[in-house]
Amino acid sequence: GQQLNQSPQSMFIQEGEDVSMNCTSSSIFNTWLWYKQDPGEGPVLLIALYKAGELTSNGRLTAQFGITRKDSFLNISASIPSDVGIYFCAGQGSREAAGNKLTFGGGTRVLVKP
Amino acid sequence: DGGITQSPKYLFRKEGQNVTLSCEQNLNHDAMYWYRQDPGQGLRLIYYSQIVNDFQKGDIAEGYSVSREKKESFPLTVTSAQKNPTAFYLCAARGGVFNGYTFGSGTRLTVV
Repeated sequence: GQQLNQSPQSMFIQEGEDVSMNCTSSSIFNTWLWYKQDPGEGPVLLIALYKAGELTSNGRLTAQFGITRKDSFLNISASIPSDVGIYFCAGQGSREAAGNKLTFGGGTRVLVKP
Repeated sequence: DGGITQSPKYLFRKEGQNVTLSCEQNLNHDAMYWYRQDPGQGLRLIYYSQIVNDFQKGDIAEGYSVSREKKESFPLTVTSAQKNPTAFYLCAARGGVFNGYTFGSGTRLTVV
């Protein structure tokens, strides 16, 4: 099945740093979603985006729906230790909507710098 | 609270045995999904169901089976035909095409 290209695959954060990650698709999406997964748990929805160019915040998290509708970005400001986890992007285009399915990226693993 | 309950949290299976993972939701959502996650990997779709008594294969359905006899329940059976069943299994539900998924807390299956 189709996968979104999510980068970076992993990153180390230091407390107080701003970090960012992104997802790109070869096809146009109408919905972008960002999830966070803590170890041993299911992903939890962080932010949902429904319109090209949309910029939405949730606390220290900010996500944007790219104007080309083929990409999305997630920024975390002033990192704290509990930001550690795996972040997944998910998208839905017309094909996915027809099947009522989301397409997921491969995830960005956020780790703390030793 | 509305949500998705997966049980058990940890499951051990002997080689050659079938095992069933439970997924129950009280969100009144029509669509339900099963994903498999391997260590350090993303989510791969096994099966999904948009309504009761109907389900479709996902990308990696071989060696798995499902049923959807009730709106609230979508159990996944990992059969002996699944050659590498050790993984983390996630169940999700969705209220409509404009909504995201709500995930359960997962079941970790280990073959011993």
